[in-house]
Amino acid sequence: NAGVTQTPKFRILKIGQSMTLQCAQDMNHNYMYWYRQDPGMGLKLIYYSVGAGITDKGEVPNGYNVSRSTTEDFPLRLELAAPSQTSVYFCASSHEGRGYSPLHFGNGTRLTVT
Amino acid sequence: TQLLEQSPQFLSIQEGENLTVYCNSSSVFSSLQWYRQEPGEGPVLLVTVVTGGEVKKLKRLTFQFGDARKDSSLHITAAQPGDTGLYLCAGVNNAGNMLTFGGGTRLMVKP
Repeated sequence: NAGVTQTPKFRILKIGQSMTLQCAQDMNHNYMYWYRQDPGMGLKLIYYSVGAGITDKGEVPNGYNVSRSTTEDFPLRLELAAPSQTSVYFCASSHEGRGYSPLHFGNGTRLTVT
Repeated sequence: TQLLEQSPQFLSIQEGENLTVYCNSSSVFSSLQWYRQEPGEGPVLLVTVVTGGEVKKLKRLTFQFGDARKDSSLHITAAQPGDTGLYLCAGVNNAGNMLTFGGGTRLMVKP
């Protein structure tokens, strides 16, 4: 089973460029999430989705956008990249809401904005 | 915003030693999850504790949820190099709709 697949694994952007981080899961999970992890810090929630067509903001949504047209895919869009968005981005999914259902994470996308 | 503080931030020990990692908050959580993350990979769930005072064992790892459900600990007995990684705790709020991660404890076990 592939689980949660993220692409690309690495990316370098110039300030002001845009890009889309791709995330796909094959577990038929309704809930999907985007987190960012900065060095020495825990994970911070950017956006989440409770099902196709439904998305909501997390703790740090500014500078990002998401869409959820299918159950499987949950892309994250950066419109005007800034150095503060240099981070490792993780996509995750879960069977149910975040209460007791474990999160299944992808292997991350390491983004550098220069 | 509910905050979770993990201590220590870094820990370097010799193979065979015991260690304890702490996860503390002033807020009450309905449950708490522990994850381990290895370099270049996403976090992987180790355990979920739900009841205040609950103790769960996973081979050499013992997890405890505080009686007041505000804190948790992870104890590793006879650490091995394979235990090396970043250990993250994550608390679920009482409404069950928010998961807050701690900053993590980076563990290195030297052979």
